[in-house]
Amino acid sequence: DAGITQSPRHKVTETGTPVTLRCHQTENHRYMYWYRQDPGHGLRLIHYSYGVKDTDKGEVSDGYSVSRSKTEDFLLTLESATSSQTSVYFCAISDGGGRADTQYFGPGTRLTVL
Amino acid sequence: AQSVTQPDIHITVSEGASLELRCNYSYGATPYLFWYVQSPGQGLQLLLKYFSGDTLVQGIKGFEAEFKRSQSSFNLRKPSVHWSDAAEYFCAVGARSNDYKLSFGAGTTVTVRA
Repeated sequence: DAGITQSPRHKVTETGTPVTLRCHQTENHRYMYWYRQDPGHGLRLIHYSYGVKDTDKGEVSDGYSVSRSKTEDFLLTLESATSSQTSVYFCAISDGGGRADTQYFGPGTRLTVL
Repeated sequence: AQSVTQPDIHITVSEGASLELRCNYSYGATPYLFWYVQSPGQGLQLLLKYFSGDTLVQGIKGFEAEFKRSQSSFNLRKPSVHWSDAAEYFCAVGARSNDYKLSFGAGTTVTVRA
């Protein structure tokens, strides 16, 4: 299994509070991704990174920001959490390299916003 | 824009019977296609992928998938289902023109009855 950890694994928070989720990899892969999973929608890309300090938006990026200061860590921040951001969040990594390499997924973080 | 449709939300199959999960994609050029499986409470695991070449792809756990360009399909099959195959299955498509970002289908939940 790819070396990907996510923390925390579960979090309950209140509307309006900031939340940061962490993804850590030990594979030295270039690409990292944040997805959210909701029933009936599959997985939707929030943000991704193609290198340290290089990030870009996905299809559902509103209300989220990311940062990547080290190859191994990719942080997802909800500046002011809303109930619509209650979801399961998955981090993924891939080696990239100019073609569609496989993405490997972390175990997920279940976030509940009350 | 690329998109993926999994027409079946839920499939129930008897143990030992064959299984086929449907996946249709929308994209103009040759896509990169993936099937992932997710057991309850777990992250996604890659079953198989298609980039080019032989259109019949073998994967792990006895699964195979066939790419049919004329039908824009990438259906997943298994000849004989085991109880441990009960899970949710996701089809995904990526493309070089979209920076290899993946679009996922909504998923198909498979229930295996004894």
